[in-house]
Amino acid sequence: GEDVEQSLFLSVREGDSSVINCTYTDSSSTYLYWYKQEPGAGLQLLTYIFSNMDMKQDQRLTVLLNKKDKHLSLRIADTQTGDSAIYFCAESPQRGYNKLIFGAGTRLAVHP
Amino acid sequence: DVKVTQSSRYLVKRTGEKVFLECVQDMDHENMFWYRQDPGLGLRLIYFSYDVKMKEKGDIPEGYSVSREKKERFSLILESASTNQTSMYLCASSPRGSNQPQHFGDGTRLSIL
Repeated sequence: GEDVEQSLFLSVREGDSSVINCTYTDSSSTYLYWYKQEPGAGLQLLTYIFSNMDMKQDQRLTVLLNKKDKHLSLRIADTQTGDSAIYFCAESPQRGYNKLIFGAGTRLAVHP
Repeated sequence: DVKVTQSSRYLVKRTGEKVFLECVQDMDHENMFWYRQDPGLGLRLIYFSYDVKMKEKGDIPEGYSVSREKKERFSLILESASTNQTSMYLCASSPRGSNQPQHFGDGTRLSIL
């Protein structure tokens, strides 16, 4: 079946790197997404990676994909208090009308 | 920039009421989605629509229905609201085709008393 798993909570010190991990089950997923949700708001698309890539970098964000292990990670360099949010990993199985399967979300808390 | 607008940020209703949640997108997207978000459970898909007047059940459709009379508008209906439908409801849209990212509204926090 389809399932996406993430740890629920991560706490980091301001200025450190944060690494949020995700595992997924559907090997047919060609895109994998990271969304950010700030308090009281909807989900904002942060970045995504195509399944034939191992890594994607976008400013402070680095996405790593291990397709063999179905493991995805999001690294945030120089984490700031404004990065405090819930981060959702999502996979996009090939079948169906562009349905996304979301993980439960990782709450990132950044402290001084 | 894609804009998905949900009609209310906060809504309080009573059990047994019929509740309408409205969502409008301005990017001519074919696909529209309704999710509910509960702590520790992430987002769960209630219904989605891939075209006007077309709808498909998601993972948790019980107690809900939807309406898509116009391409830009997708409504979620709680036929007879119950307290276990207290939740955050998120609408999203995406273009036709697989592997297109979904764009989300700001959500409606619904409380059923």
